[in-house]
Amino acid sequence: RKEVEQDPGPFNVPEGATVAFNCTYSNSASQSFFWYRQDCRKEPKLLMSVYSSGNEDGRFTAQLNRASQYISLLIRDSKLSDSATYLCVVKGNDYKLSFGAGTTVTVRA
Amino acid sequence: EADIYQTPRYLVIGTGKKITLECSQTMGHDKMYWYQQDPGMELHLIHYSYGVNSTEKGDLSSESTVSRIRTEHFPLTLESARPSHTSQYLCASSESGNQPQHFGDGTRLSIL
Repeated sequence: RKEVEQDPGPFNVPEGATVAFNCTYSNSASQSFFWYRQDCRKEPKLLMSVYSSGNEDGRFTAQLNRASQYISLLIRDSKLSDSATYLCVVKGNDYKLSFGAGTTVTVRA
Repeated sequence: EADIYQTPRYLVIGTGKKITLECSQTMGHDKMYWYQQDPGMELHLIHYSYGVNSTEKGDLSSESTVSRIRTEHFPLTLESARPSHTSQYLCASSESGNQPQHFGDGTRLSIL
């Protein structure tokens, strides 16, 4: 079983729509959680950290459910520029990160 | 914006050549990492370093080697490149183990 699993999508949504997706992780001892964004043929870039109480950054909301071992990302008022692959990233009790394969979001005009 | 640099961005080279991929960061980060990513697939950690003279193998077995003689520099070397080494190689660094990692632009390596 993979350490981090994501629905690969693609999620095709119109501009202005809300899109949400989850990721599950297998290591219950995981300590830190992040969402990264990766554009085609580019490096991953940190989108936001995910805190236990949930957190928001503009149109992006992340939530953590430790009991069920999943994190979620919600994007409100989607923009064309939100089209990308979103990587779920989990850190265990060492310095190493485990990456999901990514969820592809395509926002259409 | 993170100050971490990788060279070359693209490399197309023949089988059997020795290759060194460069990675440098100017943030003074102790932790540095090398990942390998094939198109449409997840990143796999192949090497990491907690500081000068510290290197460890990652989760994915790799024929490459790394060195960490200076804090800011973490080069990756392939002694004899093979077509199976064709991939994207991403370098990252972090201030501490709990901080997010910042990535360089990556090197797209193609072995003919």
